[in-house]
Amino acid sequence: KQEVTQIPAALSVPEGENLVLNCSFTDSAIYNLQWFRQDPGKGLTSLLLIQSSQREQTSGRLNASLDKSSGRSTLYIAASQPGDSATYLCAHSGGYQKVTFGTGTKLQVIP
Amino acid sequence: GAVVSQHPSRVICKSGTSVKIECRSLDFQATTMFWYRQFPKQSLMLMATSNEGSKATYEQGVEKDKFLINHASLTLSTLTVTSAHPEDSSFYICSASQRQGIIYYGYTFGSGTRLTVV
Repeated sequence: KQEVTQIPAALSVPEGENLVLNCSFTDSAIYNLQWFRQDPGKGLTSLLLIQSSQREQTSGRLNASLDKSSGRSTLYIAASQPGDSATYLCAHSGGYQKVTFGTGTKLQVIP
Repeated sequence: GAVVSQHPSRVICKSGTSVKIECRSLDFQATTMFWYRQFPKQSLMLMATSNEGSKATYEQGVEKDKFLINHASLTLSTLTVTSAHPEDSSFYICSASQRQGIIYYGYTFGSGTRLTVV
């Protein structure tokens, strides 16, 4: 059974810090991995999508990497801001109609 | 970019009644739509997958007769919670994807529906 784990479960940092969120998955068969952000009581906003043939994707202050051999993906957030406070979810797509979400990391950026 | 509209955002209903939630892809054709349920402080749990024009595929443990899913067009899927009970109160989220062969190119999520059954 595919398991997707995110560490840490919660993180509190002062504004301006760079931080790394981790996502690990057990199924080495992967089509893509996607990072989302979820604000309280809201749906999910897609941040970055990494195809299995790619190693990383960047968007603004966000950089996501994918290491298939070790079953890991990281989301790097540079110069964190209070507006970055949210829950971050990774989603592993292992094939046809198989998407497993991670357990989430709740981030709080303190002004 | 791709947009998925989900309505209503919040609904309160009486126990025993039915509630319909709509999920529309606004600027793309969604061959497949997914319905998730999210309990407080937990991640998303897939309830069912629906392909346009065919019956939905439900995950183990999800009652087909309670959670009716219809995907009649490439832009609309609906989830109907029938004979709702307080334990059905939850946050329901849909997502849509485009499929080319067996590969999905990312998922676009709706904004979610907070259902409260009283």
